[in-house]
Amino acid sequence: AQSVTQLDSHVSVSEGTPVLLRCNYSSSYSPSLFWYVQHPNKGLQLLLKYTSAATLVKGINGFEAEFKKSETSFHLTKPSAHMSDAAEYFCVVSEVLNTGGFKTIFGAGTRLFVKA
Amino acid sequence: KAGVTQTPRYLIKTRGQQVTLSCSPISGHRSVSWYQQTPGQGLQFLFEYFSETQRNKGNFPGRFSGRQFSNSRSEMNVSTLELGDSALYLCASRVTDDRGLGGYTFGSGTRLTVV
Repeated sequence: AQSVTQLDSHVSVSEGTPVLLRCNYSSSYSPSLFWYVQHPNKGLQLLLKYTSAATLVKGINGFEAEFKKSETSFHLTKPSAHMSDAAEYFCVVSEVLNTGGFKTIFGAGTRLFVKA
Repeated sequence: KAGVTQTPRYLIKTRGQQVTLSCSPISGHRSVSWYQQTPGQGLQFLFEYFSETQRNKGNFPGRFSGRQFSNSRSEMNVSTLELGDSALYLCASRVTDDRGLGGYTFGSGTRLTVV
């Protein structure tokens, strides 16, 4: 069965320090994995995606994530936080169904706070 | 190119009424999905449409329905509104049949408040 667990509901960092948002997943097949960001009162924006190519994926705004199959993890990192990174982040797993549709599961989200 | 457009942005309805929300996907995207977002339940999948056919459906009551038109635009309808239907409704489109390579592009959502 497919599932996504974001291990922290809230993460607080100081501006200029590294960011780590943790995500574990389970999937029956070879999934596609994504991270999205949502700023207040906005829709979700795609940060990066993993689709069975390079295991280290670089995204927008300096974010990157590493796919570790042995640990079933897809943690999101950024070397240096910026105030504008304060938002909610969602880890997402997607699989193709036999019907041809997609099954997509969103994690519960991690709210990132950035202190000046 | 234009993004995913959802209308209206905000809506206030009374219990028992019905509501129709609209979504125009990115040009060329034939897959459209709908999500409900609430503080308590997070993001929950409603349904996915591709070429006017519903391909996948979440675990919502029959009061929630949707459709897709030949130009890929989609609407969702909620009948007999309940207070618990208050939420941000997000529409997302994606490039089709690419095993998720493109990921979703989301609209800004429709904020529905039921009073």
